[in-house]
Amino acid sequence: AQSVAQPEDQVNVAEGNPLTVKCTYSVSGNPYLFWYVQYPNRGLQFLLKYITGDNLVKGSYGFEAEFNKSQTSFHLKKPSALVSDSALYFCAVRDRASNTDKLIFGTGTRLQVFP
Amino acid sequence: NAGVTQTPKFQVLKTGQSMTLQCAQDMNHNSMYWYRQDPGMGLRLIYYSASEGTTDKGEVPNGYNVSRLNKREFSLRLESAAPSQTSVYFCASSERGSGANVLTFGAGSRLTVL
Repeated sequence: AQSVAQPEDQVNVAEGNPLTVKCTYSVSGNPYLFWYVQYPNRGLQFLLKYITGDNLVKGSYGFEAEFNKSQTSFHLKKPSALVSDSALYFCAVRDRASNTDKLIFGTGTRLQVFP
Repeated sequence: NAGVTQTPKFQVLKTGQSMTLQCAQDMNHNSMYWYRQDPGMGLRLIYYSASEGTTDKGEVPNGYNVSRLNKREFSLRLESAAPSQTSVYFCASSERGSGANVLTFGAGSRLTVL
């Protein structure tokens, strides 16, 4: 069975500092991995995805994520956090062998960036 | 460009009442999904429709039914609402095919069951 773990309920960081939001996954085969962001009272918005190739994936708003197969991780990173990055972040996985796009989501990590 | 539209945005029900959440997408996507979001539990898949004319159960289908009315519309019905179904419901859609297709989400429907 597929699963995603986001071990931190909340991450606090000062504006201008680098941020990391952690994600580990479990799938039977090779994964497609995604990060989505949710602002208050809004739906989820796509940030970035890993399909294959380069382990460092760049996405929207200056975010990037590093795929690490040996550690089964896909941590979200940004070199310099902004107050406007404060939101709820979800990691999601899809098994490549699946013939649908249905995703399994983690429980979410709330990012709080302080001025 | 509307994307994915959900109605209603808010609804309060009494236990035992029924209701239908509506979802429509204008992106000509083949696949549609219903998720529920609960604090500390992330998003859980209720039902999905890989293509017009097909529906399948997700992780938490009990107490729900769905209808894929046509390619654009995918509705979620609660026949006899229970307080455990208090949640925020999200509809999403994606193109179907090879590759890692991105899900596009609606703004959500907040349901309270008293």
